[in-house]
Amino acid sequence: KAGVTQTPRYLIKTRGQQVTLSCSPISGHRSVSWYQQTPGQGLQFLFEYFSETQRNKGNFPGRFSGRQFSNSRSEMNVSTLELGDSALYLCASSTGLAGSHNEQFFGPGTRLTVL
Amino acid sequence: GEDVEQSLFLSVREGDSSVINCTYTDSSSTYLYWYKQEPGAGLQLLTYIFSNMDMKQDQRLTVLLNKKDKHLSLRIADTQTGDSAIYFCAESINHGNQFYFGTGTSLTVIP
Repeated sequence: KAGVTQTPRYLIKTRGQQVTLSCSPISGHRSVSWYQQTPGQGLQFLFEYFSETQRNKGNFPGRFSGRQFSNSRSEMNVSTLELGDSALYLCASSTGLAGSHNEQFFGPGTRLTVL
Repeated sequence: GEDVEQSLFLSVREGDSSVINCTYTDSSSTYLYWYKQEPGAGLQLLTYIFSNMDMKQDQRLTVLLNKKDKHLSLRIADTQTGDSAIYFCAESINHGNQFYFGTGTSLTVIP
């Protein structure tokens, strides 16, 4: 079974631009979660999508948005980039079933650098 | 459920035991997890414990959960150089579909 894939692996953008990151979950997984990882802050939860609907949301500004397609692939968009948005963005997929042990399988991440 | 805390660094000698500690805040957590991240890689699940358990052992790994104090620990027996990595604890809330991770503990194993 193929793992979680994320594209692109590396991105360099300038302040004010916008960026779109993509995540393809493991086949059969319907939940995709996004995290921002920065040194000293650890992983911070952005949002979770399940069956094309945002089901859970962390405490990030509205510049961070996402969506999920019918094939469970997900995209994350960040508009009006700021220097502080430089981070490793990780996505994770799981079955998404409520109340069970939902192991999250992580992709390798997209390293975003904002100049 | 957002304040999951860990110490940032731990160094141990090869062959010794490592103990990584974590405190969390959400008493409604259903599962608690330990993940490992090696350089340049995503996170890999090591082990997890259901919130009504107080201990789980899996080969060299022992997880202890003190639910009253909201304290979770991971003990790695006979630590090897290949165990050098960043270790994250995480709690899941919202019926197991929202995760909060700690800041990670960087474990260095000295040969």
